[in-house]
Amino acid sequence: QQQVKQSPQSLIVQKGGISIINCAYENTAFDYFPWYQQFPGKGPALLIAIRPDVSEKKEGRFTISFNKSAKQFSLHIMDSQPGDSATYFCAASKGGSQGNLIFGKGTKLSVKP
Amino acid sequence: GAGVSQSPRYKVAKRGQDVALRCDPISGHVSLFWYQQALGQGPEFLTYFQNEAQLDKSGLPSDRFFAERPEGSVSTLKIQRTQQEDSAVYLCASSTADGDQPQHFGDGTRLSIL
Repeated sequence: QQQVKQSPQSLIVQKGGISIINCAYENTAFDYFPWYQQFPGKGPALLIAIRPDVSEKKEGRFTISFNKSAKQFSLHIMDSQPGDSATYFCAASKGGSQGNLIFGKGTKLSVKP
Repeated sequence: GAGVSQSPRYKVAKRGQDVALRCDPISGHVSLFWYQQALGQGPEFLTYFQNEAQLDKSGLPSDRFFAERPEGSVSTLKIQRTQQEDSAVYLCASSTADGDQPQHFGDGTRLSIL
């Protein structure tokens, strides 16, 4: 049973456009929802994270929207740049950031110049 | 160091050999995690340490996998009698134990079993 489902699998966006990646989760005990960015040959790097008591969090060009009742959350990348081309993973955990992270399968984003 | 350091970066072993993968966490980080990332997939949790105590090993796929962190700093993940399905990138992450401090990942060890 896949506890965190991520879509789409791949995404192509024009430079300056908005990239949107969606995730859905099953376990209502999850209390921490981070998004990680991974470049080839590198480890995942935290972009932004949210707790379920907040519906939206923005950091620079990155925004998480969180819908607790629907058990869904999404990442929006505004003004997408070619340097944003990477694989993005949503994740969820119990016990905050100290819990073991359950990752989605990833979205490969390509931003065309 | 400035980040989580893992060694070796690449490891090739023949099926049946034992391998040991090392993780140097960020100095002062008490929490340490190991994850396995298959090609084209998200990382999957293997095990968790708080200082030297292994508090969760529920993700270890078999008794061939063993992890230790004897002095609460460096950790080693050992895989005995390797099999082809063990081929993956093994990621280590560390964190402070307070609040919402995130897990910081190393760049991983890419293990290939021939």
